[in-house]
Amino acid sequence: EVQLVQSGAEVKKPGESLRISCKGSGYSFTTYWISWVRQMPGKGLEWMGRINPSDSYTNYSPSFQGHVTLSTDKSINSAYLQWASLRASDTAMYYCARPYYDTLTGYSYDAFDIWGQGTMVTVSS
Amino acid sequence: QSALTQPASVSGSPGQSITISCTGTSSDVGSYNLVSWYQQHPGKAPKLIIYEGNKRPSGLSNRFSGSKSGNTASLTISGLQAEDEADYYCCSYALSSTFLFGGGTKVTVL
Repeated sequence: EVQLVQSGAEVKKPGESLRISCKGSGYSFTTYWISWVRQMPGKGLEWMGRINPSDSYTNYSPSFQGHVTLSTDKSINSAYLQWASLRASDTAMYYCARPYYDTLTGYSYDAFDIWGQGTMVTVSS
Repeated sequence: QSALTQPASVSGSPGQSITISCTGTSSDVGSYNLVSWYQQHPGKAPKLIIYEGNKRPSGLSNRFSGSKSGNTASLTISGLQAEDEADYYCCSYALSSTFLFGGGTKVTVL
């Protein structure tokens, strides 16, 4: 089964650092970009950025560039989202997601089909 | 980059059809045939229901359909059912290899 499994909920203080993870299984991890999506409490989805696990090339949303860092460790099929200094406004659910792959056409598409279960990050003093 | 614009809420009775709009700009929706739509039930991860504007993932109900005209994409749900009550988000590929989501639309089945 193709799946993305994320690390557990975190509670942190403002100014602390954090890294959350997303582990892929059931497919060739280096073949598909991994995107990260934020959902603040009661709010909508926001695309943060994506990383290509094969070469670690990244694209960031201007809204998140400079505040978060994406990385991968392809030896353990894992992608990471990290903060050097958390803010209270980083309190949110964070999802990782993988593009849709159509087994009939053999192509992947720029749409997010496989999602992790989400990691809730709470930042509070 | 600003979020794509969706109506905050849409409602309909069982069996009816509803349409959700998603308005962007010539830098995103208008430039690429790469709009996707997602359904999200409370406490759950989003689910892909439309990709490339009007294509459905394998196995997905044909009650969901998508279209695009200019800078506006649309999602139509026909034969509305109780389980369709959820939040719906559009998403478009945009400049500099980024993606933009819409603000989301809450669908209520009356």
